[in-house]
Amino acid sequence: GEDVEQSLFLSVREGDSSVINCTYTDSSSTYLYWYKQEPGAGLQLLTYIFSNMDMKQDQRLTVLLNKKDKHLSLRIADTQTGDSAIYFCAERVSNYQLIWGAGTKLIIKP
Amino acid sequence: NAGVMQNPRHLVRRRGQEARLRCSPMKGHSHVYWYRQLPEEGLKFMVYLQKENIIDESGMPKERFSAEFPKEGPSILRIQQVVRGDSAAYFCASSSSPRRGFAEAFFGQGTRLTVV
Repeated sequence: GEDVEQSLFLSVREGDSSVINCTYTDSSSTYLYWYKQEPGAGLQLLTYIFSNMDMKQDQRLTVLLNKKDKHLSLRIADTQTGDSAIYFCAERVSNYQLIWGAGTKLIIKP
Repeated sequence: NAGVMQNPRHLVRRRGQEARLRCSPMKGHSHVYWYRQLPEEGLKFMVYLQKENIIDESGMPKERFSAEFPKEGPSILRIQQVVRGDSAAYFCASSSSPRRGFAEAFFGQGTRLTVV
């Protein structure tokens, strides 16, 4: 069945790059998304990539998509304390249905 | 232009009571989606509604759960006779059109339901 996998935690030092990884199973996915959830807050769409793209860059964020391996990554350059959050990967399987990973909690060490 | 508003933010119910969760979509949005997030899990799709219509409720449990999106007023997710397993965060999202998927959808802050 459809599934999206992420590791639950990532710890990085402030100023370093963070790379959050995600694998998915539905090869027909058209869009893949990264969301950010801060404590007690809603879900904020960070960025998304269309399945015919390999890479998308948006300021400090870089998304890489490897369709062959069904692997998606989110790189955050120069990680700051404000980047502390849970990051969700999600794949679109229909116009309104997303399959979500369990989220990766990004912990920033000073 | 207020975002998607959900209330209450936190809701505590005793087993057997009813829970009503409200979602006011963004202005101009007529499509509403409800998702449930169990602890340490990703969100799971529950139901998709347009004004006065349920389009897809395939993710919603057949019993005790219902959803509506009336012509006037917010969308309501109703859980009757709550059980401990209903404890979760319930998120609502809205969009003006589902065509571009969630690139144009906005999420509310969620309602955290605790059943005691």
